[in-house]
Amino acid sequence: QVQVVESGGGVVQPGGSLRLSCVASGFTFSRNVMHWVRQAPGKGLEWVAFIHPDGTIKTYADSVKGRLTSSRDNSKNTLYLQMDSLRAEDTAVYYCAKDLSTTYSFDYWGQGTLVTVSP
Amino acid sequence: QSALTQPASVSGSPGQSIAISCTGTSSDVGSYNLVSWYQQHPGKAPKLIIYEVARRPSGVSNRFSGSKSGNTASLTISGLQAEDEADYYCCSFAGSNAWVFGGGTKLTVL
Repeated sequence: QVQVVESGGGVVQPGGSLRLSCVASGFTFSRNVMHWVRQAPGKGLEWVAFIHPDGTIKTYADSVKGRLTSSRDNSKNTLYLQMDSLRAEDTAVYYCAKDLSTTYSFDYWGQGTLVTVSP
Repeated sequence: QSALTQPASVSGSPGQSIAISCTGTSSDVGSYNLVSWYQQHPGKAPKLIIYEVARRPSGVSNRFSGSKSGNTASLTISGLQAEDEADYYCCSFAGSNAWVFGGGTKLTVL
């Protein structure tokens, strides 16, 4: 069965860095677009990043551009989100999500990992 | 990348039908038939219930249906059940490999 499992969340000070990981199984990871989506406490969903199956094309929401970087290691079925220059407003549960190929929608989500940016 | 507009809350009684609107612009909802809808129960991950405006993934009840007119998409839930009480989010492709979500709608089953 398809699974994506995030890890790496925690508490970090403003200006600090964190790296999230998402391990995928049950599907051909190397052939699938992947995304990061976040949800601040008590708030709605916000799309954060897209990464092409081969990792060469990446796009980001304006709110994170230049500070968050998505990458992937297809040999390890793993997606990453490098988070630098973190701000209080980056506090959220971060989900990785598999793209339902060619439909531009997200069909499998992980359970999420919480990132808290606080002094 | 402004969020799509959804009503903050809707409610209905068991057995009734409700509709949730999702208004975007000519740059997102109006330009692409690539609107999806997600159901999220408290403390859980979102679940895809509609993609490409009106298609249902395997296993999703046919009580859920989607449509679009111009810059506004809609999710209709018929035969409301207690288990439908959740938050619902629309999402649209916005071109240039970018996506935008709606602010979310809390559905209460009375």
